[in-house]
Amino acid sequence: GQNIDQPTEMTATEGAIVQINCTYQTSGFNGLFWYQQHAGEAPTFLSYNVLDGLEEKGRFSSFLSRSKGYSYLLLKELQMKDSASYLCAVRQSGGYQKVTFGIGTKLQVIP
Amino acid sequence: DAGVTQSPTHLIKTRGQHVTLRCSPISGHKSVSWYQQVLGQGPQFIFQYYEKEERGRGNFPDRFSARQFPNYSSELNVNALLLGDSALYLCASSLAYSYEQYFGPGTRLTVT
Repeated sequence: GQNIDQPTEMTATEGAIVQINCTYQTSGFNGLFWYQQHAGEAPTFLSYNVLDGLEEKGRFSSFLSRSKGYSYLLLKELQMKDSASYLCAVRQSGGYQKVTFGIGTKLQVIP
Repeated sequence: DAGVTQSPTHLIKTRGQHVTLRCSPISGHKSVSWYQQVLGQGPQFIFQYYEKEERGRGNFPDRFSARQFPNYSSELNVNALLLGDSALYLCASSLAYSYEQYFGPGTRLTVT
């Protein structure tokens, strides 16, 4: 099975940097997703990491360490519109595909 | 390019009824996955289809079924609805089953 842990809530200041951590345990790994979800809306794709290392996309970066079962999402130059839930999800390897989501981290950006 | 589309956007059903939800993937995407999201939780995986074949199934009862059509659109069917089936049902599409997936706007199902 799979187990994904991420903090439930975080608060950060506008203009600052915040790191949202995700740890996972899985029987077979085939990639890790990060999604942003505003209240009442569908998740929006942010990143997909398959190999170890850091991937940067504008203000957002995602890091993966497969040996440690660890990932983080880094948000720079925080804006008020970044207030949302951030979902970490792991895809299981093998011919039978399954993606497991964490509960999500609710980020509040304050002035 | 159009994103993933789902219909209907909202639906109210009574316990014991049946419901069919529909999803059209992004053009060129051949894989569709279905998720159930209840308030305050992350999405729960229900099914994945690729090239019209089931490639993944989550821990949901047999009341839940799905299929994918030759044009890669998909339907999710739920029989004998229970109050606990009330949730946001999300469809996600990807090029193939190992690529990044993009979500549609979801169908909000309320069972009374």
